Amino acid sequence: LAKTTQPISMDSYEGQEVNITCSHNNIATNDYITWYQQFPSQGPRFIIQGYKTKVTNEVASLFIPADRKSSTLSLPRVSLSDTAVYYCLVGDEDNAGNMLTFGGGTRLMVKP
Amino acid sequence: ETGVTQTPRHLVMGMTNKKSLKCEQHLGHNAMYWYKQSAKKPLELMFVYSLEERVENNSVPSRFSPECPNSSHLFLHLHTLQPEDSALYLCASSQDRTGGIVYGYTFGSGTRLTVV
Repeated sequence: LAKTTQPISMDSYEGQEVNITCSHNNIATNDYITWYQQFPSQGPRFIIQGYKTKVTNEVASLFIPADRKSSTLSLPRVSLSDTAVYYCLVGDEDNAGNMLTFGGGTRLMVKP
Repeated sequence: ETGVTQTPRHLVMGMTNKKSLKCEQHLGHNAMYWYKQSAKKPLELMFVYSLEERVENNSVPSRFSPECPNSSHLFLHLHTLQPEDSALYLCASSQDRTGGIVYGYTFGSGTRLTVV
């Protein structure tokens, strides 16, 4: 399982774009990169997943450079309701059981 | 509502009590999981069930006993717990044990357990 490293916390203001970077230096060829969001006293929620280059959905964008040793979750124009913990996970179908390990995540605080 | 329902949402129990947590999903998923989340700690995987068969047990104390009677239901039976077992207990499901990496894991809202 590729170990991931994220900043412990980040602060932002409403309306700003927030970029959270995750390092996964020993990512394997078959590994996918997945991001989850967790609000207090709730379970994590799947946000976005990618393998390489850029992925965009209605919630966020995920940027993955060519070497795939890191990835950046981009949240456009954040609001107070985006205050949450964001987790980066890396794994593949062969070791999906091991993929189920969440790290400490990044605690994002959005201020008015 | 995520499609994974956990009951109760809150539970307070004494150290000599026996209680059970319930998880239910009607997403057609074949794999279900129990996680523990203590205050300011990462999520800890406790148990994994695939097609109603336990496939992983991460050295969880025997005072936690899981049960998966069918692919839609998962229980966590609790007995003689300790105060340090107080935490948020989360249930999750995925299409199958390997499908989660591609299609994602769906979590319930959790049961906030307090052991007194």
